[in-house]
Amino acid sequence: EAQVTQNPRYLITVTGKKLTVTCSQNMNHEYMSWYRQDPGLGLRQIYYSMNVEVTDKGDVPEGYKVSRKEKRNFPLILESPSPNQTSLYFCASSLVARSYYGYTFGSGTRLTVV
Amino acid sequence: AQSVTQLDSHVSVSEGTPVLLRCNYSSSYSPSLFWYVQHPNKGLQLLLKYTSAATLVKGINGFEAEFKKSETSFHLTKPSAHMSDAAEYFCVVSVGGSQGNLIFGKGTKLSVKP
Repeated sequence: EAQVTQNPRYLITVTGKKLTVTCSQNMNHEYMSWYRQDPGLGLRQIYYSMNVEVTDKGDVPEGYKVSRKEKRNFPLILESPSPNQTSLYFCASSLVARSYYGYTFGSGTRLTVV
Repeated sequence: AQSVTQLDSHVSVSEGTPVLLRCNYSSSYSPSLFWYVQHPNKGLQLLLKYTSAATLVKGINGFEAEFKKSETSFHLTKPSAHMSDAAEYFCVVSVGGSQGNLIFGKGTKLSVKP
């Protein structure tokens, strides 16, 4: 089944403790992206990647890092999480950027930083 | 700059009555437009997309949307609501270019009364 898989689904952590949220897609998509969803704000892009070893900042990149060493994986790294990063995170992939076919989203990761 | 405005944050209908979720967009380019649905505690699912072909777009589960360039609108409709349609709906425009960003509206929560 074609899908984007995120792990974990739920995560509670403490301020300053480094964490990684994994994202993997099995569709051979070139483009991958991370979004955060906050009430009343919709989804906002954090980082994106056009292809392997090509990443760039989205609209709200502060406090996050990403890497794209393999085509299928695009982990999101929070080096020193803070409470304002408590949010629902989605990974998405597409054949290419601005895909006419739409984007496939993962099921989301609900992160709470205390 | 591209933007999306969903005109209602909450819409309530009775089962069996029509659904109308309103969306206006602003785009400097010929846009790609999407509607996504998010059921409680679930990920985002693509309902339908407009990519400069037919202006009336049919999607899954009986939903459709009409692209009206003169009104810069892309409203989502369904002739007869079902209880399972209760969810949050997002109107989305694809910015295009290398960032491949999706600009999300703030969402419309649809409630369906029995």
